[in-house]
Amino acid sequence: DVKVTQSSRYLVKRTGEKVFLECVQDMDHENMFWYRQDPGLGLRLIYFSYDVKMKEKGDIPEGYSVSREKKERFSLILESASTNQTSMYLCASSSATTAPGKLFFGSGTQLSVL
Amino acid sequence: AQSVTQPDIHITVSEGASLELRCNYSYGATPYLFWYVQSPGQGLQLLLKYFSGDTLVQGIKGFEAEFKRSQSSFNLRKPSVHWSDAAEYFCAVGVVGNEKLTFGTGTRLTIIP
Repeated sequence: DVKVTQSSRYLVKRTGEKVFLECVQDMDHENMFWYRQDPGLGLRLIYFSYDVKMKEKGDIPEGYSVSREKKERFSLILESASTNQTSMYLCASSSATTAPGKLFFGSGTQLSVL
Repeated sequence: AQSVTQPDIHITVSEGASLELRCNYSYGATPYLFWYVQSPGQGLQLLLKYFSGDTLVQGIKGFEAEFKRSQSSFNLRKPSVHWSDAAEYFCAVGVVGNEKLTFGTGTRLTIIP
């Protein structure tokens, strides 16, 4: 089975800190995604990467950046964390060829910014 | 741009009863449609998907969904729910050639004995 691993299940940071959320997938997928999940708002796409060093903004990229230096790893960076970035962050990956639209998700990182 | 509406925030169903979760989409052409399930403390898992062809699609865990173009709907159904079906369910829409999915706001399903 595909495994998408997020480095932390819970994270507590202070306002203004630089925050790194890490995600690793083990199935050689081309596509990787970062979503945030908030009650009543569902999942909203922050950034998408379709290849190493390639990225596209999603619906809510403000305040975030990403890095994909290796195919299996996709990092989400909060340059200066703010309280409105307190949320559940979900990483996902998919194959562009074998199963379009079938996303495999990690278990999520619950980030609290104080 | 495509969008998805899940009109029910929370549904409560008795164990053994039938279930229907509603999903409406907005997109000019034929979309790709998906249902995902999120169990407590877990990421999302794909239940089923519609790309083309037969409008009634079967998924895992006994779920099915029917694509109705005239109603722009893709409702999820199960004839008899089990306590383990308690979870949050998300409908999603995608478009040909674009890997990015747009998700609905989710429907939380509670099962009572």
